[in-house]
Amino acid sequence: DAGVIQSPRHEVTEMGQEVTLRCKPISGHDYLFWYRQTMMRGLELLIYFNNNVPIDDSGMPEDRFSAKMPNASFSTLKIQPSEPRDSAVYFCASSLGSTMQYFGPGTRLTVT
Amino acid sequence: RKEVEQDPGPFNVPEGATVAFNCTYSNSASQSFFWYRQDCRKEPKLLMSVYSSGNEDGRFTAQLNRASQYISLLIRDSKLSDSATYLCVVFPYGGKLIFGQGTELSVKP
Repeated sequence: DAGVIQSPRHEVTEMGQEVTLRCKPISGHDYLFWYRQTMMRGLELLIYFNNNVPIDDSGMPEDRFSAKMPNASFSTLKIQPSEPRDSAVYFCASSLGSTMQYFGPGTRLTVT
Repeated sequence: RKEVEQDPGPFNVPEGATVAFNCTYSNSASQSFFWYRQDCRKEPKLLMSVYSSGNEDGRFTAQLNRASQYISLLIRDSKLSDSATYLCVVFPYGGKLIFGQGTELSVKP
């Protein structure tokens, strides 16, 4: 069975550009999570959805970040405009119920 | 105080050693507990759940002490392939998963 799929795997962009990260959760899972991981701050939850509805976006750092889940099989995380401090690995995870989460391979974002 | 705190690490141990990681959590109402493993430049993967009675999976033993709000992971007969970062994870009642900062383990030949 396919796990969580994320694209792109690597993204290098210049400051000020828009970045869109994509995620396809495991089929049948009802929760989807977006995390960011850096050496300094560890793994941080940005936002999560239940049945496509955003439940908690308190981890979204600022208005430059937005996330959508138009259907059960697709979600996006958008950063506009991007800044060098946004450089990190962004993980998407999904679960049936909110506890045992399965992570995608991540998108390594570098903003120059 | 952080919601989940782990041993700072790194732990450097020889093959065959027994190593233990500890983790404390601040929310006494927390319901579920897990250990995740993360290899370098990879995603976190669920290693095992942690039950109040303690549970074992091969060389790995997890224990929970609710009174002390303390979780542990014991790895026996460590292998080179056990080298990774181990993340303590807590699920507070009605909340989202809270991840610790992780403890790095390096098993040497």
